[in-house]
Order: sequence, then C-alpha cells, then structure tokens
Amino acid sequence: QSVLTQPPSESGTPGQRVTISCSGSSSNIEINSVNWYQQLPGTAPKLLIYTNNQRPSGVPDRFSGSKSGTSASLAISGLQFEDEADYYCAAWDDSLNGVVFGGGTKLTVL
Amino acid sequence: QVQLVESGGGVVQPGGSLRLSCSASGFTFSNFGMHWVRQAPGKGLEWVTFIRYDGIYIKNAGSVKGRFTISRDNSKNTLYLQMNSLRPEDTAVYYCARVPNYSGSYATIDYWGQGILVTVSS
Repeated sequence: QSVLTQPPSESGTPGQRVTISCSGSSSNIEINSVNWYQQLPGTAPKLLIYTNNQRPSGVPDRFSGSKSGTSASLAISGLQFEDEADYYCAAWDDSLNGVVFGGGTKLTVL
Repeated sequence: QVQLVESGGGVVQPGGSLRLSCSASGFTFSNFGMHWVRQAPGKGLEWVTFIRYDGIYIKNAGSVKGRFTISRDNSKNTLYLQMNSLRPEDTAVYYCARVPNYSGSYATIDYWGQGILVTVSS
C-alpha cells in the first residue's frame, strides 16, 4: 500500500489529453513539492516534472504538472504512442522523514 | 555526461549480506545528495535510503532501518549500500540516483543508474 495513491491504469488515443492523479496527505503533498517520473519498459525512471510544475530541459511541453492541497496531477496532451509507460509521483514526507512514491500508473495508448 | 554505474548485486541466501557500490562520473560527486531506490519484480518504485552530499545527514525507509546502511566516499566518487539480514522481500532492482541542486527537494531525482538486481533466495 503506497503512501501516495495513483490509479493503476489510464488509457487514451493518439492526440488525446490524459491526466494522472496523485493523492497524498498533509505530511507530504500539501507541504512539499511533487515530482513525476516516467519509466519506459525495461529502463530506469526519468524525471518528467519537478517542483509541482517545472519541466527539466528536454521534456516536451506536452507534459505538465499541477498541485492543489493534498493532490497533484500530471497532464499529457497530444498523446503519442511513445508515451506508453509507467508514471510515478513522488514527494518528501515530513512524518516518515523520507521519499514516498505513488504506486504507479500504467498508461496505455490505444 | 553524468553516469551512475551500480555493481555488487547477485544472489544471496536469506539472512545474508551484500554490499552494493555506485560509481559516479561526469559531475562533482561531493556536491550532490544521493539515494538508493529499489523496484521489486513487476512492482513500483520504493525509496530505500538517502545521504546528503557531506555524508552527515542520512535517512532510511522503515523497511530497511537497522539492516541497511548507506555511505559514501567522496574521494572515490562512490556510493555504497551495505545490506545485512537480507530477506526474500528485499529482492529487487536497486538504483542509485542523484538529487539535483536546483529543486530544493530531496524527492527530486535527475539521474538514475541502470540498476542492479539483488535476489534473496535459498
């Protein structure tokens, strides 16, 4: 059971916009910034969004992040087949004194 | 370019020990905090432990507290994970990972190693 809650799966068709939610609590998301990672099959995770809504250099602007209260969301617009991957949210938890990850969301592009 | 290369994985019996190493290159290792993050087969990411750039500030996940020890040798650009009293549930790919200096959060990881498999089985 992960501290951050994500839907196990989401799907969309090419060109569509999809959102992935991440629900936390007052000890993590509400008071700390949220990060998002993309993991393609058989590879290490890749940083997609940091500090709630910032994109590292090289990440397309199709990817965007937001946060409100104890929840955060990752939005992917103009969905592409190459976006098919597992997505994880993460934040620091002040009660656990460590990093907490969501359980991951498997995105399927139909 | 930034490179993180893990080594030391393998098969170990329950109750045994193993030490993982992570060799860093392409950046000033002594300036960055580092994590170990693991992923059990077919499962999600699980944070294991963190060490600040100076080796003084360390945090551990409850699941490994008292059994795993993170350390670093900044003169050798190497991160370590000493794993004792290993259990079958510790079976996972272990990633070493770097915390960038620009985000202000220890939960931000900008570079990951390729991962190394640790299997705990009799």
